[in-house]
Order: sequence, then C-alpha cells, then structure tokens
Amino acid sequence: DAKTTQPTSMDCAEGRAANLPCNHSTISGNEYVYWYRQIHSQGPQYIIHGLKNNETNEMASLIITEDRKSSTLILPHATLRDTAVYYCIGALGSSGSRLTFGEGTQLTVNP
Amino acid sequence: EPEVTQTPSHQVTQMGQEVILRCVPISNHLYFYWYRQILGQKVEFLVSFYNNEISEKSEIFDDQFSVERPDGSNFTLKIRSTKLEDSAMYFCASSELWHPSTDTQYFGPGTRLTVL
Repeated sequence: DAKTTQPTSMDCAEGRAANLPCNHSTISGNEYVYWYRQIHSQGPQYIIHGLKNNETNEMASLIITEDRKSSTLILPHATLRDTAVYYCIGALGSSGSRLTFGEGTQLTVNP
Repeated sequence: EPEVTQTPSHQVTQMGQEVILRCVPISNHLYFYWYRQILGQKVEFLVSFYNNEISEKSEIFDDQFSVERPDGSNFTLKIRSTKLEDSAMYFCASSELWHPSTDTQYFGPGTRLTVL
C-alpha cells in the first residue's frame, strides 16, 4: 500500500470549504486514493475514492493531481458535524484487501 | 440505507475468558473484515473473509483469534483467551465482490472490548 502523509490537524470555520491535503508520492498506478473519516471513535465512514480523475459525490469532492502524487479532499460547506479525523488511504481496491490507516488529519470545524 | 451492525456495543470480560463479537454485514455483501483500534492508536486490519475462508490476515491475527460465518447473516470474531492488550474497539466491515471499478468497505459502529 502507498504511504500517505497528511497534516496532523486543521481548523475550518463553519460554512466554509475545508480542503484537506494528502501526499502519496509512492502510489502505484493501480492504487486508488480512498478517503474515510472517523467521528470520535465511531466506525470509519467512507467518503469518496478516485484513481486519476476528480470525483464528486454528495459528501465531498476529490481532486487528484495529474501526476497522482497528491490529492485534496474538499468539503464544500463544512458543518460542526464534520469535525472528525480524516484518513487518506492508498489501496488497490480489490475485494478482501486490507485498508492501511495512518494517523489522519484531525479536522475541527469551529462555529 | 443499509448498514453494518455490531453487537454488543460494549463487552467487559476477565482476562483468560473467551469472547465472541458479532457483526451483521450489509445483506448483499460477500467480503467481510475485522479491524481493531486500541485507544489512541491507529485502526489496524485483522482479517478478511470470503466464501467461508480467510482471504488475508495480519500478523496480529494469531491462533487466539478465529472468524466464522455461522449462518447466512452473522459474521463473528472469537478471541479464545483474552489478554489485557486485547482491550480495543473492534470494527467489522463488509464489501461487495470486486468489480471492474473498486470495492468499498463499509464499517460498523464497533464493539468496545474491555479486558480486566
């Protein structure tokens, strides 16, 4: 699995966009970038994933650089409930394969 | 929206006792997983399971651990003789069979295991 590097913590004002960066310079061509979050020791919650193209769903947008060495998760209008640890994970995405969680980024959304 | 469920939410046991943690994966999912998170540490992969066989296991998943799909809906993790260091949150996850896109794992809320 690709090693990923994320800032330890970030703050964001409620209602503003939260942009969470991730470096994954060793990611291989067939590894996807997955984002999960964990709210206060609850189970990790899937957010979004992508391979090369930018992706958007109802929760977030994922911007992957052309060289695939880094990506940014964007929460367009952060709310207090988005306060969580966000994990960027490089993984093959094949069934049965492990997800390797790092330390993640603690995002705190402030009122 | 379908969810992974886990029972119990909190289990307290004495060291040396056997525990069984239960999970009900999402109904059309065929791959099942267990992860654990010791307080203040990372989420760690334990095992994946498909078609009544272990697909992959980590170095943590030693002989004291076992997994089973005893019926069509439950997926269990058994710890034979619990140790203090087994105290952790245990998360079950499930995913659909791989298809040309990717396979996404969905996690349950966890069982907090406390070994005294």
